Amino acid sequence: NAGVTQTPKFRILKIGQSMTLQCTQDMNHNYMYWYRQDPGMGLKLIYYSVGAGITDKGEVPNGYNVSRSTTEDFPLRLELAAPSQTSVYFCASTLGQTYTDTQYFGPGTRLTVL
Amino acid sequence: EDKVVQSPLSLVVHEGDTVTLNCSYEVTNFRSLLWYKQEKKAPTFLFMLTSSGIEKKSGRLSSILDKKELFSILNITATQTGDSAIYLCAVEGTGGFKTIFGAGTRLFVKA
Repeated sequence: NAGVTQTPKFRILKIGQSMTLQCTQDMNHNYMYWYRQDPGMGLKLIYYSVGAGITDKGEVPNGYNVSRSTTEDFPLRLELAAPSQTSVYFCASTLGQTYTDTQYFGPGTRLTVL
Repeated sequence: EDKVVQSPLSLVVHEGDTVTLNCSYEVTNFRSLLWYKQEKKAPTFLFMLTSSGIEKKSGRLSSILDKKELFSILNITATQTGDSAIYLCAVEGTGGFKTIFGAGTRLFVKA
């Protein structure tokens, strides 16, 4: 099992550009999450999904969109990138809800918006 | 407003020392508290605590939760340089999907 994989590892965007952060898990997990981690801060939940076709907003969804067409994939879309979106983005998954199951994290994507 | 506060923010110790990391929280409808270790990349799961007073142990690491006083501690005994990392505390509240993370404690263990 590869676990949770994310691409790209690093990306530099110009203000106003768009991009998609890819996340894939091969553990057949139902729940998937996108977090962002700003320097010196904890993780903040952007979006989550409880299964294919079902997504919902987390704490900081503005400026992002997600889709979940398959169990394995949970891409995060940034439209009109802004400097405030400079952060490290982590994708995570669990089989069930996080308060019952271990959360597995991907290696992260470091995004800089200039 | 829900919040998770960790202390200290950073800590420098020598190998062999014992350290205690603190996590206090105010979260609506508490479900669980989680500890993670973050080295260079993604956090790795350490413990999940749901009940007061029950210590969880894994090798030299242990953790306990006090739901009355709304805090948890993470103890590391006989520290090693490989314990150097950021330790994150997270608390899950309403709905099971609202996870609030603390800013973390940065631990540096000197050889």
